[in-house]
Amino acid sequence: EAGVTQFPSHSVIEKGQTVTLRCDPISGHDNLYWYRRVMGKEIKFLLHFVKESKQDESGMPNNRFLAERTGGTYSTLKVQPAELEDSGVYFCASSQMGYEQFFGPGTRLTVL
Amino acid sequence: AQRVTQPEKLLSVFKGAPVELKCNYSYSGSPELFWYVQYSRQRLQLLLRHISRESIKGFTADLNKGETSFHLKKPFAQEEDSAMYYCALRAGSYQLTFGKGTKLSVIP
Repeated sequence: EAGVTQFPSHSVIEKGQTVTLRCDPISGHDNLYWYRRVMGKEIKFLLHFVKESKQDESGMPNNRFLAERTGGTYSTLKVQPAELEDSGVYFCASSQMGYEQFFGPGTRLTVL
Repeated sequence: AQRVTQPEKLLSVFKGAPVELKCNYSYSGSPELFWYVQYSRQRLQLLLRHISRESIKGFTADLNKGETSFHLKKPFAQEEDSAMYYCALRAGSYQLTFGKGTKLSVIP
């Protein structure tokens, strides 16, 4: 069974540019989560989708971040415009109901 | 708000020695506690959860509500245990709250 996949694995952009990260969950998993680890800090929750609906977006840092999950399958996380402090590793996870969350390999974002 | 503290950034032990990775949490209710592990060049994966009360790869963790701790233990460390270990809490919703992680290095 394929696990959670994320694209790209690395992204280097300049401040002010736009970046879109993609996550493909495990097939059949209605729950999809985004987390972020900024250098030196803990992995922090960003938001949670149930199918195509945002269940909880309490962790989204500001309105420069926009997450979508059209059709309840893959999800995208867009950062526009990117700032230096957005650099970090962005993880996606998926689960069935409240069961184990399976994590993707992460996308390392560097904003110069 | 809930919080997870892992006081050790790095823990080095010799192969065959006992290991204890510390985790303390703050939450007023009854949380679910987890240990996640990330081996080199691999993704984050669940190691164990307190409600299952099982031993995985020789590791165990007991939830101590009085001390609000969920320390991870293994009696005899192996080289393949070297990895980043994250303690995490889930309380009242699906989101996980993570500690900063402890890097375990097992010296041959």
